[in-house]
Amino acid sequence: NAGVTQTPKFQVLKTGQSMTLQCAQDMNHEYMSWYRQDPGMGLRLIHYSVGAGITDQGEVPNGYNVSRSTTEDFPLRLLSAAPSQTSVYFCASRPGISNQPQHFGDGTRLSIL
Amino acid sequence: GENVEQHPSTLSVQEGDSAVIKCTYSDSASNYFPWYKQELGKRPQLIIDIRSNVGEKKDQRIAVTLNKTAKHFSLHITETQPEDSAVYFCAASWAAGNQFYFGTGTSLTVIP
Repeated sequence: NAGVTQTPKFQVLKTGQSMTLQCAQDMNHEYMSWYRQDPGMGLRLIHYSVGAGITDQGEVPNGYNVSRSTTEDFPLRLLSAAPSQTSVYFCASRPGISNQPQHFGDGTRLSIL
Repeated sequence: GENVEQHPSTLSVQEGDSAVIKCTYSDSASNYFPWYKQELGKRPQLIIDIRSNVGEKKDQRIAVTLNKTAKHFSLHITETQPEDSAVYFCAASWAAGNQFYFGTGTSLTVIP
């Protein structure tokens, strides 16, 4: 069991470029989510999904798109990168049953120049 | 939506002393409260959680208490060790909801 796998681990982009952060889990979890972590601000929810084909916005969704075509994968797309999107991004998953802990990936450290 | 506040933001203790981190939440429907530990450059990892049908839960040197009336919950670490140094996050969620709401974190330093 690899758990939650995120790629890449590090990325540097120029303003205006687009890219996709990958997230995959092998635990057959229905619920997946993306957070960004900035100093002093904790973990803020960007988007989440309760199952294949279903996504919804979190607290800070602007500038990001997601899709969920399979249970395993939940990619996060930056359409036109901005310096304000410089952050550490974490993907997490949990079973669909409520009140269960989330399992986090190792994170992607993204810098936008 | 839910609002989770966490205090203090930084905490330094001598090795062997106890550490207490407190969180408050605003939504009385919240009924699940996990705590995560994040070491520098690593992923957040669950260390303990509590559900609203219990008031206290213990796991070796770590305990969590919940006061539903006052809407606050606390993490207690006893006999602290240098390897307890990390950032700790509290969170709250509710059964019918799909979002976890995180506190802003507490940076704990255990001084040898």
